[in-house]
Amino acid sequence: KQEVTQIPAALSVPEGENLVLNCSFTDSAIYNLQWFRQDPGKGLTSLLLIQSSQREQTSGRLNASLDKSSGRSTLYIAASQPGDSATYLCAVRGTGTASKLTFGTGTRLQVTL
Amino acid sequence: SAVISQKPSRDICQRGTSLTIQCQVDSQVTMMFWYRQQPGQSLTLIATANQGSEATYESGFVIDKFPISRPNLTFSTLTVSNMSPEDSSIYLCSGRQGGNEQFFGPGTRLTVL
Repeated sequence: KQEVTQIPAALSVPEGENLVLNCSFTDSAIYNLQWFRQDPGKGLTSLLLIQSSQREQTSGRLNASLDKSSGRSTLYIAASQPGDSATYLCAVRGTGTASKLTFGTGTRLQVTL
Repeated sequence: SAVISQKPSRDICQRGTSLTIQCQVDSQVTMMFWYRQQPGQSLTLIATANQGSEATYESGFVIDKFPISRPNLTFSTLTVSNMSPEDSSIYLCSGRQGGNEQFFGPGTRLTVL
């Protein structure tokens, strides 16, 4: 059974800092990995999708890497802003087109002024 | 990616009653899912909504408690039946087209008194 862990559970940084969020998973046989953002009481916004054959994806100030063999992914946020404050969720999808996402417990990020 | 809308966005219900949540996608999708997110927790998959047939439920979730319909490729409903305070959660609809990214609706915040 796939298990996804995110460290740290919570993080507070001053505005402008670069930061890294970590995600690890126990079964390396994945189809893809997605990073999401969730604002309090809201749904999920997809940030980045990395297919199993890819090493990284970038979107603006966000960069996600994937090391499938070691079961690890990182989300790098450059020049953090108060608007980046949210919970960040990592989710991995098993192999097969009908397979489901397994979510991590999330990292709650606060960017202070 | 496609856009998902959910109705209602929130509701307060009395124990023992039922609530039906509607999910509408603005384009056809292969897969639709229903998730639950209890306070302070990550997402748990309730079931995969199958077009024209019975949903596929995850361990711990049963059709009598969470009946699901999916009459076409863009619409699904989830009913939370005979509610108790333990059913107070955010319920999220999600869609996916083939091997692509999975996207989520804004969620329905349910409070059961």
